[in-house]
Amino acid sequence: NAGVTQTPKFQVLKTGQSMTLQCAQDMNHNSMYWYRQDPGMGLRLIYYSASEGTTDKGEVPNGYNVSRLNKREFSLRLESAAPSQTSVYFCASSESAGGKGNTIYFGEGSWLTVV
Amino acid sequence: RKEVEQDPGPFNVPEGATVAFNCTYSNSASQSFFWYRQDCRKEPKLLMSVYSSGNEDGRFTAQLNRASQYISLLIRDSKLSDSATYLCVVNPNNNDMRFGAGTRLTVKP
Repeated sequence: NAGVTQTPKFQVLKTGQSMTLQCAQDMNHNSMYWYRQDPGMGLRLIYYSASEGTTDKGEVPNGYNVSRLNKREFSLRLESAAPSQTSVYFCASSESAGGKGNTIYFGEGSWLTVV
Repeated sequence: RKEVEQDPGPFNVPEGATVAFNCTYSNSASQSFFWYRQDCRKEPKLLMSVYSSGNEDGRFTAQLNRASQYISLLIRDSKLSDSATYLCVVNPNNNDMRFGAGTRLTVKP
């Protein structure tokens, strides 16, 4: 019943520190995503991976890097954290990228604070 | 202009009331539309897809108006458990989904 699992759930970073958010899905989905959610802004796509071996920028990629390690895992790295990256981060997956009837399944979220 | 716009609310309604939310989108080429539900401090979950002909799922009815570029969600006979934020989602291409900021609903006894 795991679905999409992301870690850590909570993290406090100092400005300039780096960290990696880990994400894994067990639904054999091809596509995976990283979103951030800020008050009044909705969910914004950072990066996505339409299939294993490919990654593409979303709406707000600056300051982030991603790695699609294999079909199951998609990690998000902050190389030099900034206060503007304080947010809730959601990893998600879907059977394929976009398309009618395609459901996105989300992880439980990672609350990141940069001080 | 945002790609997907929603009235943030909050909508405060009594149990049993009917409530409707609208959402407008800017990309006329968008093909797929959805409503997601998000509880406080939880992840979003699919509530229902929105089809061109409109569709119903129990107390929930979703409609699409392509000419005016909006989708709607109608909730009948509101329950306390319907209290949540409702996210409008539009698929402008085959690569990603665009989310509205959400409409907050509180159903009161």
